This record gives sequence, structure tokens and C-alpha cells, in this order.
Amino acid sequence: KAGVTQTPRYLIKTRGQQVTLSCSPISGHRSVSWYQQTPGQGLQFLFEYFSETQRNKGNFPGRFSGRQFSNSRSEMNVSTLELGDSALYLCASSADSGNTIYFGEGSWLTVV
Amino acid sequence: QKEVEQNSGPLSVPEGAIASLNCTYSDRGSQSFFWYRQYSGKSPELIMSIYSNGDKEDGRFTAQLNKASQYVSLLIRDSQPSDSATYLCAVKSGNTPLVFGKGTRLSVIA
Repeated sequence: KAGVTQTPRYLIKTRGQQVTLSCSPISGHRSVSWYQQTPGQGLQFLFEYFSETQRNKGNFPGRFSGRQFSNSRSEMNVSTLELGDSALYLCASSADSGNTIYFGEGSWLTVV
Repeated sequence: QKEVEQNSGPLSVPEGAIASLNCTYSDRGSQSFFWYRQYSGKSPELIMSIYSNGDKEDGRFTAQLNKASQYVSLLIRDSQPSDSATYLCAVKSGNTPLVFGKGTRLSVIA
């Protein structure tokens, strides 16, 4: 069974640009969560989607947005990038919202 | 604000010893508890989950949960250099998001 797939794995963007990250969950999983990981703050929750609906949202500015498609694939978008957005962005999937989550390999974003 | 606290380490143990990793949490309503291992430059991978008070063993790993004390721990027996990583404790209540501690860095010295 394939795991959680995230693309792109590595990217470099300039301040002010926007970026879109993609996540394909484990087959059969309907819940997708996104986390940001930085050395100083650890893993911070961004949002969770279940059956195309945002179920939970973390304390991030409106520049961070996401969506989920009918096939459970998810995307997150960050607009007007800032240097502080440089981080590892992790997508995780679970069979349902209350179940164990499994992480993808992550997307490393560097903002210069 | 739900919080999960872990000692950042590094925790250094000799090869073959028992490594003990600890975690406390603030939300008394927490129901599910997880330990993830993260190697440098990699994503977290699930080691164990525990839902009831007591011990749960899986190979060299034992998770211990004490809800009254709001405390969860992970014991690694016969520690190996390959166990050197950051261990993340995560706590969940119902359908709320998983809350992670900042992790404990473990170093197993050969």
C-alpha cells in the first residue's frame, strides 16, 4: 500500500511569491492534515480536511489556505511568502478524523 | 491552550541500555496518545499508540500511560545507535487536531 505522497519535495521561493503544495493520502484515507515544522516551534497544526470540508484550523494567518478534492487529495497554498515561512510542511492522512495519522515525507520550503 | 511538554534533551544512553522518554500533557480530556520517531531530515514515523492506562509493549518499545498524572512515557530496551533520533509525543482528544510536543533528542552511544 502506497504511503502519503507529497510534491514537490524541495522548493525555493522569493519573498512575496506564492506556493502550492500537494498531498495524496494513503488509499482509502479520507482525512488529510497539514503541519508546519520549524526548529524553534516544532510541529504546528495548520488545518485538517475531511470529505472536502475543513474540519479544524490552526492559528495561522489567512495567507495559509488549503482545500481537499473529491478523491481526498489535498493542496495547501501560501500567498505573499515571508522569510519566516521557510519550514518543512508535512501532510498526514488518516482513515477518519479520530484515527492515527501517517505522515508523508514533507515538502521543504525555503523563502529567500 | 492544549500543551504537550517534553524534555528537549539530548538524552544520551550507552548502547544496550534502556532509554526512558517522558511527556506530560495539559488536557485532561485527552484520549489518544502517540509516539513518533523522527530522524534528522526525515518526516515523523509512528512507533506506538496507547489509549488506556498501563503499559503497552511492542518489541523493544514499551509505552506507559498514567491519565491521573497526565503522563505518558516511552521505554526503549536494548538501545541501538539506530535508535538515535528525535522522539515526538503527541496527544489527541476526540476530533480535535493532534498536538505535538517539541520532541526529545535521543543519542545512543556505541
